[in-house]
Amino acid sequence: AQSVTQPDIHITVSEGASLELRCNYSYGATPYLFWYVQSPGQGLQLLLKYFSGDTLVQGIKGFEAEFKRSQSSFNLRKPSVHWSDAAEYFCAVAPGRGSTLGRLYFGRGTQLTVWP
Amino acid sequence: DTEVTQTPKHLVMGMTNKKSLKCEQHMGHRAMYWYKQKAKKPPELMFVYSYEKLSINESVPSRFSPECPNSSLLNLHLHALQPEDSALYLCASSQSRADTQYFGPGTRLTVL
Repeated sequence: AQSVTQPDIHITVSEGASLELRCNYSYGATPYLFWYVQSPGQGLQLLLKYFSGDTLVQGIKGFEAEFKRSQSSFNLRKPSVHWSDAAEYFCAVAPGRGSTLGRLYFGRGTQLTVWP
Repeated sequence: DTEVTQTPKHLVMGMTNKKSLKCEQHMGHRAMYWYKQKAKKPPELMFVYSYEKLSINESVPSRFSPECPNSSLLNLHLHALQPEDSALYLCASSQSRADTQYFGPGTRLTVL
C-alpha cells in the first residue's frame, strides 16, 4: 500500500535560518511527488513537483526539493526562511507514469513556526 | 493561470438544511476533485470526476451528493449533515487524473 511519512509534526526555526522538511514514501514504482503549503484556513498551494529528470527541483518562494530514489525520499529545503513561510507543509505522492488513478496520498503534514 | 475558485467561503447550516458548495475552474482541466479536511489533518479524498463522469467515490455518505454539470463546474450538494461533517471542503482540478492537482481556497463548513 502507498504511504507517505513526514516524521516531523512541528518544526521551529529562526528567521534567516535554513530549513529542511523530510518526506519518505512507500510505493512500488517511481511515483509523482509534490510539496504543497497551506496557510491557516486556506487552500493548498503547490510549491514544487517531481515527475522525472533532474532530481533537484526548484519551486516557488525559493524552495527546492531533492528526489533520492535509494532513500525513497523527497525532502524540501530552503536556505533562508522568512516569517511568511510559517504554515503547514504537506508532502504528497501520486501514482506515476501510465496511471490514471487520480489519487494523491498525503503525509500528515509538518507545521512550521518561524521565530523573528 | 492556475486558479480554482470556490463559493461560498464560509457556510453555517443546520442539520435539516440543504445547501450546495460550488467550484469553478477555467483552465480546461478535465478532472475535478472534492476533498474534506479536518483541523490539523491532511485532506481526505471524497470524489473524483473525470470528463464530467464520476470515477472515484471514496465511500462517502449519501448526504453528500456531487454533481459535475459541465467541464468547468463542480458542485457538492449537502443535505441532513451531522456536526462531525464540519470541516474545510477543498476542490481541486487537474489536466487529467494523472496530472498535478491545483486546489481552491476551500469552503469552511460549520454544521450546527
